Amino acid sequence: EDQVTQSPEALRLQEGESSSLNCSYTVSGLRGLFWYRQDPGKGPEFLFTLYSAGEEKEKERLKATLTKKESFLHITAPKPEDSATYLCAVLPRGGATNKLIFGTGTLLAVQP
Amino acid sequence: ETGVTQSPTHLIKTRGQQVTLRCSSQSGHNTVSWYQQALGQGPQFIFQYYREEENGRGNFPPRFSGLQFPNYSSELNVNALELDDSALYLCASSSARSGNTIYFGEGSWLTVV
Repeated sequence: EDQVTQSPEALRLQEGESSSLNCSYTVSGLRGLFWYRQDPGKGPEFLFTLYSAGEEKEKERLKATLTKKESFLHITAPKPEDSATYLCAVLPRGGATNKLIFGTGTLLAVQP
Repeated sequence: ETGVTQSPTHLIKTRGQQVTLRCSSQSGHNTVSWYQQALGQGPQFIFQYYREEENGRGNFPPRFSGLQFPNYSSELNVNALELDDSALYLCASSSARSGNTIYFGEGSWLTVV
């Protein structure tokens, strides 16, 4: 069964304190791995899609990496505005093209 | 902002009633999908529409149904509402032309009392 597990469930950082969020997945075949940011009461905001092991993508203070079993979202020198829930999702091969399987997210709080 | 718009933003319904939620996909996006997100959980796939036909469904009962219109907009209908249907309902759209990136709207909050 296709599955996504995110850790930690919650993370509290001081402003400037870099860290990483983990997304472990099992999938029969991977079409893509997605990272989203979700603010309270809002819809998920697209960050990255990764397609193959070894791929890396960066956007401002965020960098996403992918292996065959997990993905990491590295946050460098975070600011309070980076506080949000970060969701990881996989898109399996062979199924509906929008059928993402999500983890339960990591709630990040960055304190000034 | 993604260009995926949903309405209404909030609504309250009584158990047993029916509800219709609406979504306008991002311009040019021909694939629309719906997700249910309970509090503290990740979104769960309900179903997907392409060319006005359902072409993928998650583990949801038949009382969850939908439509897609020629302009690619979509509706989610839920009949015989149950208390557990209280959730954030998200619409997402994509197209092959935009690299199949899946963009979400802001959602419709449904409370069933």
